[in-house]
Amino acid sequence: AQRVTQPEKLLSVFKGAPVELKCNYSYSGSPELFWYVQYSRQRLQLLLRHISRESIKGFTADLNKGETSFHLKKPFAQEEDSAMYYCPPRYFGNEKLTFGTGTRLTIIP
Amino acid sequence: DAGVIQSPRHEVTEMGQEVTLRCKPISGHDYLFWYRQTMMRGLELLIYFNNNVPIDDSGMPEDRFSAKMPNASFSTLKIQPSEPRDSAVYFCASNPAAEDTQYFGPGTRLTVL
Repeated sequence: AQRVTQPEKLLSVFKGAPVELKCNYSYSGSPELFWYVQYSRQRLQLLLRHISRESIKGFTADLNKGETSFHLKKPFAQEEDSAMYYCPPRYFGNEKLTFGTGTRLTIIP
Repeated sequence: DAGVIQSPRHEVTEMGQEVTLRCKPISGHDYLFWYRQTMMRGLELLIYFNNNVPIDDSGMPEDRFSAKMPNASFSTLKIQPSEPRDSAVYFCASNPAAEDTQYFGPGTRLTVL
């Protein structure tokens, strides 16, 4: 079965400290990886996708095929980063995204 | 564009009652997805449509759940009869093509007493 694992349901980080949200996916070919974010009182929205290789709001994510991981990183956390984060993979030939339990990130002032 | 529209935003009902959730996708989007979000299970895909045709309903929990898309601008998710364990936030999302970004609605928070 196609699965994604975000081992931390809750993560608290002090403002200014580095942030890493872990994401591991089950191997099944070469999926496309995404990070979606849901800020308080806002809609779930795309943060970044691995094929774009871009940094959004200071966040980057590197696809590691050997470890089947796509961890999200930011060197210095900001209070506005507090949100719910999901990393759904999309597998080739499949139109759907496989979301999981997500990680709720809280930045401590 | 108002984006994906869902109604109602909040629904409180009693066990055994029928519940109907509504979604209007973004105009021109061919794909429509229904998700359920709970603390325990996270965000789960229930069903999705392509050009109004259901493609994958393997996530629908049981026969009490049904979804329709009578036209390109409207979809419903119905629960009959509702149970307390159906309490969750239900999201609708759409995207224009298979490999594009999904755009989510604001969600409907359902509480079944």
